[in-house]
Amino acid sequence: GAGVSQSPSNKVTEKGKDVELRCDPISGHTALYWYRQSLGQGLEFLIYFQGNSAPDKSGLPSDRFSAERTGGSVSTLTIQRTQQEDSAVYLCASSPRRGDQPQHFGDGTRLSIL
Amino acid sequence: QQQVKQSPQSLIVQKGGISIINCAYENTAFDYFPWYQQFPGKGPALLIAIRPDVSEKKEGRFTISFNKSAKQFSLHIMDSQPGDSATYFCAASSGAGSYQLTFGKGTKLSVIP
Repeated sequence: GAGVSQSPSNKVTEKGKDVELRCDPISGHTALYWYRQSLGQGLEFLIYFQGNSAPDKSGLPSDRFSAERTGGSVSTLTIQRTQQEDSAVYLCASSPRRGDQPQHFGDGTRLSIL
Repeated sequence: QQQVKQSPQSLIVQKGGISIINCAYENTAFDYFPWYQQFPGKGPALLIAIRPDVSEKKEGRFTISFNKSAKQFSLHIMDSQPGDSATYFCAASSGAGSYQLTFGKGTKLSVIP
């Protein structure tokens, strides 16, 4: 079956604009994660969704970041009033259910803030 | 606070040689330790993983060695090939909360012919 799908693959936007990044997890996977990979850094956890439970937002760096997951499938990460330090690759991962490993990653969205 | 420390940052190995990457962790609640391989423009892909009830796991040319008392684990790539050239990340997660992965900062491996 298809893997984790993310769109767009690349996004260039001006400072101050809002952006939306999309993740389509593997079909049937109920656990979904967002991570951020900055240049030369490891991956940093942002947010976790499990089924219909309240998300774990503990990794979101500021209130400019938010995410939602509609119908337990597709997720959207929104960054409002983008700043240059938001430039990074945003990666989505999914696993069959809470606690299942491994997590399967998409190829990410490369976000560049001018 | 960096919970998973990875070294070296970069590594150059001759074809056929052994590549060794090391990681150390701080959180004793971690109970799952994967290694991910990432090629440019691609997402990380699981290479091999271990849980702390064993000290070593081997899959083909890839071996994880795990030392629970020292809170360290390492990846060994035997008979390294140019196709192994990639960035490798160690990670850890605990059996509580969201099971999110905590990653090291990565090692860029170059295998030269």
